[in-house]
Amino acid sequence: QVHLQQWGAGQLKPSETLSLTCAVYGASFSDYFWGWFRQPPEKGLEWIGEINHNGDANYNPSLKSRVTLSVDTSENQFSLKLTSVTAADTAVYYCVRGPKVVGNWFDPWGQGTLVTVSS
Amino acid sequence: QSALTQPASVSGSPGQSITISCTGTSSDIGLYNYVSWYQQHPGKVPKLIIYDVSNRPSGVSNRFSGSKSGNTASLTISGLQAEDEADYYCSSYTITSTLYVFGTGTKVTVL
Repeated sequence: QVHLQQWGAGQLKPSETLSLTCAVYGASFSDYFWGWFRQPPEKGLEWIGEINHNGDANYNPSLKSRVTLSVDTSENQFSLKLTSVTAADTAVYYCVRGPKVVGNWFDPWGQGTLVTVSS
Repeated sequence: QSALTQPASVSGSPGQSITISCTGTSSDIGLYNYVSWYQQHPGKVPKLIIYDVSNRPSGVSNRFSGSKSGNTASLTISGLQAEDEADYYCSSYTITSTLYVFGTGTKVTVL
């Protein structure tokens, strides 16, 4: 049973850096890509980016200038940093497992972290 | 990259079948057989229910089925049940640098 457990700060002020980490249990870290999504309140899902165990990453062009993904293979963890946050970055952030090769499925999802940006 | 287009809401009575459409372009749905569907109950985590257009992950009810024609994908829920009341999102792989595009979401109501 694959399980993702995520954590990070839920309250940020404008211009601060969002930082979240996701731990992977029950899956081979090297066999998949690992990614992040977000969902603003009452809105749809937005893909943020993905990374593999080698650190090869793909980013949503709309966020690329502010996003950094990283991995810690020794701990089977991956992390998201989003700089210079604004109120528009307020959302529930999810970590996910994705396909290693070309494909489009994300399963499972982490429990989600509500990040609120407010002064 | 624009979002895929879904109807805002679809409703049906228990036992009926409903179909949710998801319209994209020749750069995503029309180009790849990498369409997936997610079910999300209020306040809950999205759940993968269909991948690669028509495949169901283990444990997903066979009342859920997917198909594709041209630039439009569809999700059909047969034998509608109260527990099916949720938001549904489609997604496609895309040739653009965005890689993955999602639909606007459809709220399913069981009457």
